Amino acid sequence: EADIYQTPRYLVIGTGKKITLECSQTMGHDKMYWYQQDPGMELHLIHYSYGVNSTEKGDLSSESTVSRIRTEHFPLTLESARPSHTSQYLCASSEVGDSGGYTFGSGTRLTVV
Amino acid sequence: QKEVEQNSGPLSVPEGAIASLNCTYSDRGSQSFFWYRQYSGKSPELIMSIYSNGDKEDGRFTAQLNKASQYVSLLIRDSQPSDSATYLCAVNMPGYSTLTFGKGTMLLVSP
Repeated sequence: EADIYQTPRYLVIGTGKKITLECSQTMGHDKMYWYQQDPGMELHLIHYSYGVNSTEKGDLSSESTVSRIRTEHFPLTLESARPSHTSQYLCASSEVGDSGGYTFGSGTRLTVV
Repeated sequence: QKEVEQNSGPLSVPEGAIASLNCTYSDRGSQSFFWYRQYSGKSPELIMSIYSNGDKEDGRFTAQLNKASQYVSLLIRDSQPSDSATYLCAVNMPGYSTLTFGKGTMLLVSP
């Protein structure tokens, strides 16, 4: 079944650690996105990608990086985790043109202690 | 400046009533409109998309689009407690690479 997968589902990690959040989709979508969302708050776009070797910064990108080496895979890396990074991270994908809207993964809830 | 505006709520309705959720957007040239449902602690789930003026019905859900007035609404008939969630409006605005999301309206359906 075509879907979008995020791992891990939950992560507790110490300050200063490097972490990578994984996102993979099997829908063949060219566009992929990372959003950050605090409980009860709005979505904030971190990064997005049009396709392989294409990455763009969103509104909240300064403390993270992404890569798009394969169409189906779009990992997000925090080089040095801080308590302010504690949040839910949502990955999404869409067809070119966004005509069908976004499909979101289940999310990764990150806690930095 | 791109804007998608939603009343944050909460919108409280009794079980069985019609819930009406509204969304306005800033760019008259926008073409695609989406409604997402997000349960607390979960990810957004696409429930409706609409591209043309008028109504689009899917089960208990009806999306209404009025491009001249720049608003899109979502009606939920026979509201159930399980409909309690935050509803996000998203718009595909010309010239922008990503969907613009509103902040969402919280809906509470009481038994």
